[in-house]
Amino acid sequence: GQNIDQPTEMTATEGAIVQINCTYQTSGFNGLFWYQQHAGEAPTFLSYNVLDGLEEKGRFSSFLSRSKGYSYLLLKELQMKDSASYLCAVIPNDYKLSFGAGTTVTVRA
Amino acid sequence: IAGITQAPTSQILAAGRRMTLRCTQDMRHNAMYWYRQDLGLGLRLIHYSNTAGTTGKGEVPDGYSVSRANTDDFPLTLASAVPSQTSVYFCASSETGGPTDTQYFGPGTRLTVL
Repeated sequence: GQNIDQPTEMTATEGAIVQINCTYQTSGFNGLFWYQQHAGEAPTFLSYNVLDGLEEKGRFSSFLSRSKGYSYLLLKELQMKDSASYLCAVIPNDYKLSFGAGTTVTVRA
Repeated sequence: IAGITQAPTSQILAAGRRMTLRCTQDMRHNAMYWYRQDLGLGLRLIHYSNTAGTTGKGEVPDGYSVSRANTDDFPLTLASAVPSQTSVYFCASSETGGPTDTQYFGPGTRLTVL
């Protein structure tokens, strides 16, 4: 099976920066996704990385190091609406997304 | 454009009963997926379909069956529900089923088996 690890919970203050780490050991690698999921709602796409480096998209950035089996999602200028679960998902050789358990981020005023 | 719809929104079911969860997409995507989401375990793939007329097994297929008679619909059937199938079920679709595809998720069905 695939092994994808991310912290269970993180708490940060409004306006701050939070970094969510994801490490993976999978049967092959064809890319990594980050999804956001608000409580009781569907996951929605945030980012996709397949090459090493940083991808920036507004307040959110995602980084990938394939040699280290490591990615992080960086959330800047945190807002209350960013309170959600963030799911790391890897595409192994069978092309089927394999998800981590998710990191619940709580933003406090 | 609705995207992906799922029905019912929630259901309480007696063990041993048969249940079909419905999923419909209007994006003309070729690939569709069924996941279950359990606390602490994340999303796990049950079954998938890369195109109408074909289906495949995911990580946790036992106790579930699917069919893909056309592009838009991908129902998931529990032939004889058991309490361990209590979960939130998400249907998703993607354009081709390829590795770079973004998957789009439906709103989910919360199923409780007693």
